[in-house]
Amino acid sequence: GESVGLHLPTLSVQEGDNSIINCAYSNSASDYFIWYKQESGKGPQFIIDIRSNMDKRQGQRVTVLLNKTVKHLSLQIAATQPGDSAVYFCAERETGGFKTIFGAGTRLFVKA
Amino acid sequence: EPEVTQTPSHQVTQMGQEVILRCVPISNHLYFYWYRQILGQKVEFLVSFYNNEISEKSEIFDDQFSVERPDGSNFTLKIRSTKLEDSAMYFCASSPISGGAGDTQYFGPGTRLTVL
Repeated sequence: GESVGLHLPTLSVQEGDNSIINCAYSNSASDYFIWYKQESGKGPQFIIDIRSNMDKRQGQRVTVLLNKTVKHLSLQIAATQPGDSAVYFCAERETGGFKTIFGAGTRLFVKA
Repeated sequence: EPEVTQTPSHQVTQMGQEVILRCVPISNHLYFYWYRQILGQKVEFLVSFYNNEISEKSEIFDDQFSVERPDGSNFTLKIRSTKLEDSAMYFCASSPISGGAGDTQYFGPGTRLTVL
């Protein structure tokens, strides 16, 4: 069945270090992947996305890696800051599909 | 920067009552969505809406739920007879072009629904 899951429920990093958040997905038909950040009491905020014809995409301080062979997605945050503390969700969608399937979420704690 | 807005931020209701959650999507967007998030759980898709009709819905979106775009700016989710298990955060989202791959969905801040 469809599922998007996360390896670690929580991640604690020191300010200034790099963070890596991992995600596994199982729907082979998914071809669009998104990372969302959710701060307490707020809605999911788009961070970065990647299509299945790519294996890497970089944004400002963030990089998403996609390994379709093992159905694995990761989010790398460079020089993690206290403001990065939040829950991060990976999500997936199929071409022509409307629903976004969210993973369980990883809580990132940034220690000052 | 344009944002999706939702009202109210918190709605408390008695079991069996009807509630209407309201959303104002980003103005030039064409596709609209409702998601919900039960406390501590993942965000779940409820329904997508385009051109005044439902384009896709999940198993959660049963006959107790309905959506409407009553005018050119609002998008509503109605729950006819609320149950305790309807307590959750409800997020509205919109996207500019289509629901397909590559089209970002932008989420509102959510309405917290508490059913007593």
